[in-house]
Amino acid sequence: DSGVTQTPKHLITATGQRVTLRCSPRSGDLSVYWYQQSLDQGLQFLIQYYNGEERAKGNILERFSAQQFPDLHSELNLSSLELGDSALYFCASSVGARGGRLELFFGEGSRLTVL
Amino acid sequence: TQLLEQSPQFLSIQEGENLTVYCNSSSVFSSLQWYRQEPGEGPVLLVTVVTGGEVKKLKRLTFQFGDARKDSSLHITAAQPGDTGLYLCAGAWGSQGNLIFGKGTKLSVKP
Repeated sequence: DSGVTQTPKHLITATGQRVTLRCSPRSGDLSVYWYQQSLDQGLQFLIQYYNGEERAKGNILERFSAQQFPDLHSELNLSSLELGDSALYFCASSVGARGGRLELFFGEGSRLTVL
Repeated sequence: TQLLEQSPQFLSIQEGENLTVYCNSSSVFSSLQWYRQEPGEGPVLLVTVVTGGEVKKLKRLTFQFGDARKDSSLHITAAQPGDTGLYLCAGAWGSQGNLIFGKGTKLSVKP
């Protein structure tokens, strides 16, 4: 158990819909990261928050948005869903935000299926 | 854009064999990590290497960081079925706050 909690574990929805994925980081971790994992693209970095503020942005689509709340939990919002958005979405947390010794602890992921 | 290339993509071996998987980049890492991911779970950190030429051992796993800090290898001795999984390397560059992952090596160890 990494200490990172993600909900829901599985989600099936239709194209055009909107979903929200939730992440609670490990106790004491200030940074939250979102990654998308698909078979052909591997683990793709989407976005990072540190103590409520956006710190780094990766390959995140404009249809996707995220935020980190004062209690440090984070939500990833995916809208106007397309078939190609079907993937595993992972949240990870770390104590710090940057530097050579960054170590991530991953949740078990949310599997999104868009039909 | 920094890229991490891992090889081989797939590896299927018998229990007791040795194996090495590789992680390469054209850029210099400030640090590199290896993770293992099992089906239905998130990646789990195995090791972090920071210094060029560094070698770290974790039981039957040996991790090496290249002298120029552009590549790394993971060697498993006497592989066991419990070693089966997706091995991912992840690199950090400079002061970047995020890790970039390779696509992984999918290892299957048959009894």
